[in-house]
Amino acid sequence: DTGVSQDPRHKITKRGQNVTFRCDPISEHNRLYWYRQTLGQGPEFLTYFQNEAQLEKSRLLSDRFSAERPKGSFSTLEIQRTEQGDSAMYLCASSLQQGNSPLHFGNGTRLTVT
Amino acid sequence: QKEVEQNSGPLSVPEGAIASLNCTYSDRVSQSFFWYRQYSGKSPELIMSIYSNGDKEDGRFTAQLNKASQYVSLLIRDSQPSDSATYLCALTSRRANNLFFGTGTRLTVIP
Repeated sequence: DTGVSQDPRHKITKRGQNVTFRCDPISEHNRLYWYRQTLGQGPEFLTYFQNEAQLEKSRLLSDRFSAERPKGSFSTLEIQRTEQGDSAMYLCASSLQQGNSPLHFGNGTRLTVT
Repeated sequence: QKEVEQNSGPLSVPEGAIASLNCTYSDRVSQSFFWYRQYSGKSPELIMSIYSNGDKEDGRFTAQLNKASQYVSLLIRDSQPSDSATYLCALTSRRANNLFFGTGTRLTVIP
């Protein structure tokens, strides 16, 4: 399967701990996005990479969140000092560089902070 | 005002009927429009894209775009119980390279 892959599928952590998620995009896609989704809401944009460059970050993204895409392939999203409000589904998506290219989503990582 | 507005529903239609899902948007420079389907606990799945005014048909799905009215809709003909899901309207604009989503409309097709 050559779709977007995310790991882990589920993560339960205690408040204050750090967590890291991984995303492997579709191989020929040079754009990679992170979104967060809570129950009853649409996906909310967090950040986006074109190749290895992080080109855009949401104003809603606190300093506890950091994302990397060191070689322009896979990406990691780290949340430091997790809070209960961070509990959500974290979705990764990738697309081609053309402006009209749709996003293809991975299965997501469901984070629960206790 | 939110970028993308959708009626959250739920919308219930009988099997075989036409389901009509609507979406309005606030930014006149919005360029590309997408409909995603999301089953409970799953990630969004692209079902339609539309870039210019008018209708676009793909199987049982028809997307309609009216940029003057800032309105995009999705029609599902011959609705099936397997169409029961949340439908997310999304768009891109010249101001940003990411996709803005509505809150989604929950559709239930009753057998």
